Amino acid sequence: SQKIEQNSEALNIQEGKTATLTCNYTNYSPAYLQWYRQDPGRGPVFLLLIRENEKEKRKERLKVTFDTTLKQSLFHITASQPADSATYLCALGNYGQNFVFGPGTRLSVLP
Amino acid sequence: GAGVSQTPSNKVTEKGKYVELRCDPISGHTALYWYRQSLGQGPEFLIYFQGTGAADDSGLPNDRFFAVRPEGSVSTLKIQRTERGDSAMYLCASSPGRDAPYEQYFGPGTRLTVT
Repeated sequence: SQKIEQNSEALNIQEGKTATLTCNYTNYSPAYLQWYRQDPGRGPVFLLLIRENEKEKRKERLKVTFDTTLKQSLFHITASQPADSATYLCALGNYGQNFVFGPGTRLSVLP
Repeated sequence: GAGVSQTPSNKVTEKGKYVELRCDPISGHTALYWYRQSLGQGPEFLIYFQGTGAADDSGLPNDRFFAVRPEGSVSTLKIQRTERGDSAMYLCASSPGRDAPYEQYFGPGTRLTVT
């Protein structure tokens, strides 16, 4: 069955450093992958989309990579700020099919 | 414009009771999804509507769960004979469709507690 793993449950980093979150999957061949941010008690909010034929996407301080050989996506936040503290979810998708979400990684950026 | 809204924001009910959770998607979005999320977990797919029809209900855990979207807009998730294990955050999301990698717009969720 499909399995998606993200970092250990929680990741703590110092303000100003780069946070790197991982999303690994097995028994699945997604056509695209999305990253979402979720704050406590709120619904997830879309951040970035990357397709299987793309290696890297950037948006402001965010960068995502997608390696279909390794079955892995990396999500980077550069120059991290305490306001970046949240849970980050990866979601794998195929056209005409439902998303499958990972368990999420809780990121804490310490001042 | 208005985002996805869900009501109520919190619902506490006794074991065995019936509950209805409502979702109002973004106007014009034909795709509507229901998810269930437990603490420390990602959203778990329940059901997907394309327009008025339930195109995929493979995520519904059992026949106590049912959802409708009669006019292709507002949707209601219905849970009969609630059990304590049904306690979770129920999220609704909408998107323009499912035939492209559209982002999903989530509502704030309904926190259901079954006592």
